[in-house]
Amino acid sequence: KNEVEQSPQNLTAQEGEFITINCSYSVGISALHWLQQHPGGGIVSLFMLSSGKKKHGRLIATINIQEKHSSLHITASHPRDSAVYICAVKGSNYQLIWGAGTKLIIKP
Amino acid sequence: DADVTQTPRNRITKTGKRIMLECSQTKGHDRMYWYRQDPGLGLRLIYYSFDVKDINKGEISDGYSVSRQAQAKFSLSLESAIPNQTALYFCATSDLGGGYTFGSGTRLTVV
Repeated sequence: KNEVEQSPQNLTAQEGEFITINCSYSVGISALHWLQQHPGGGIVSLFMLSSGKKKHGRLIATINIQEKHSSLHITASHPRDSAVYICAVKGSNYQLIWGAGTKLIIKP
Repeated sequence: DADVTQTPRNRITKTGKRIMLECSQTKGHDRMYWYRQDPGLGLRLIYYSFDVKDINKGEISDGYSVSRQAQAKFSLSLESAIPNQTALYFCATSDLGGGYTFGSGTRLTVV
């Protein structure tokens, strides 16, 4: 079993829909990252959080440390949000443990 | 200019050839990393460096070597490339607060 599990692996939705991507982990962490990988391959850091909730524009990330679970939400989704969203956790050795990613497609 | 620059962006090389991937950064971060990404898998750490005199193996360092020439430069070498090293390679930096910045990636194909 992977230490970081994301669900779903693939998600297709219509423009305007509310999107939720989930990340569960099985190790103790000091922080959790959400990143976005564009179709061209580039990776952009979206959030780093260790508790609670963060919001940036239409993106919201939450984390529940007790349940070892985080969610990334996208409100009013748009085709330009189409990308792979990756969850990564920083474990006790300060290295990142990566999820396999969720491929999101938003149709106009 | 990008904060983390990788060169080349794409490279096709033959089995057995030596190849170097270069990474330079303007973030001023001490910590630098090399990752590889294969389809359907998460990024895997090859090597990392916390400062110029510090080099550490990651989970998949076999077949790779690195050089930290300066705070801003961290290069990855494949001494004798093999086809299963075909992948997308990323260089990244991080600050002490844990924020990461990634390069645009190098797509390497070994034929």
